[in-house]
Parts: sequence; C-alpha cells; structure tokens
Amino acid sequence: GNSVTQMEGPVTLSEEAFLTINCTYTATGYPSLFWYVQYPGEGLQLLLKATKADDKGSNKGFEATYRKETTSFHLEKGSVQVSDSAVYFCALKSNYQLIWGAGTKLIIKP
Amino acid sequence: DAGVTQSPTHLIKTRGQQVTLRCSPKSGHDTVSWYQQALGQGPQFIFQYYEEEERQRGNFPDRFSGHQFPNYSSELNVNALLLGDSALYLCASSLRLGPSYNEQFFGPGTRLTVL
Repeated sequence: GNSVTQMEGPVTLSEEAFLTINCTYTATGYPSLFWYVQYPGEGLQLLLKATKADDKGSNKGFEATYRKETTSFHLEKGSVQVSDSAVYFCALKSNYQLIWGAGTKLIIKP
Repeated sequence: DAGVTQSPTHLIKTRGQQVTLRCSPKSGHDTVSWYQQALGQGPQFIFQYYEEEERQRGNFPDRFSGHQFPNYSSELNVNALLLGDSALYLCASSLRLGPSYNEQFFGPGTRLTVL
C-alpha cells in the first residue's frame, strides 16, 4: 500500500544553518505530495506542494522537488530561523485521503 | 475569511461513553475529512464526506461515524469510547473541484482524553 517515510527527529540546528528533512514515499502512480508544518499549540498548515514529477514547491524560503526516480520529496531551506521550530509532516494524496509520515521535530537554537 | 473551525477545543470522557465533535469548513469548501492524530504521530484518515455522504473511509471501526449537513459542516461521533481513542481529532476541508482540489485546510483540532 501507499506509505510515507520521513527522517526521525528531533533535528537540532543553529540559526542560519542549512536544513534538509528527508521524505520518501511508496505509491502506485504519481500522487500529489505535500509538506505541512505544525507550530507549537497550532493546527496543521500547508507549507508547500507538488503535483507532478520534477515540480518544485516553495514557500517561506522552503523548497521541495518531486523526484520520481528516487520517490523522494526532501524539504530544504538555506538559512533557518528560530521561528522555524516546529514539527514538519510529509504527506501524499491517495484517492481522497492524505497519507502521512510520522513527522520530524525541528529545533532551531539561536 | 474564516478558516476551519472545530468545537470543542478539549474534551474529557470516560470509557464507554459517546462523544460528538463538530467542524465548520473554510468558507466556500464543500468537502470535509476527519483525521485522528495520536501523540507524536502523523494523522490517520478516518473518513471523508461530500454531498452529505461518506465518500471514503480509513481503517477505523464502526464505532466511528460521521455526518455532513447541507451547509457542509460536519460531525464526528465516537461510541463506546476506549482509552486508545485519546487523541487530537482534526477536521480538514477542501474543494472537490478546481485548481486547489488537492489542498486540505486543517482546523486546530479537538483534544479528546478518555479516562
């Protein structure tokens, strides 16, 4: 069946460091892929998405490219800020539902 | 523009009781999905409603049921509560058609604790 695997956290970085959070998926066909972010005490927010192979989603300095060859959708940011501290979820769309990874907690230290 | 709203925010019940959670979708959205998020895990899909009918269901027992009203709002009912039902219940709304049909917008959730 369809599934999403993302790197375990927590990931701890210093401010202005480069961020990569790995996400790989297993799916039939070419599902749409998403990154959601959950800030402390808040609900899930859509961060970015990609709907077909080689698409690059981007928002707030974050980027992710839909790689069909490696079935990956890694999240990257060139320079993280303390305000980026949150839990990040990778997800894929399968029929009507979203299938989620377990989430990666990101901690940014000043 | 109001986003997705859910009520109540928190709820404490005892085993065997029944609970109803409510959701109002984002303005203009016609589809509602429900998810269960256990602590430290990703959300798990419960079901989705469109045109007042359940369109798809995840791997949850019949104790979990739902309803969608003509104004697109929705309820999630859980009967015979178990300790393992303690979780954050998330409602998401979306549009069935249009360029953003893939995007689901989430409410803040209802935290259910079963004692």
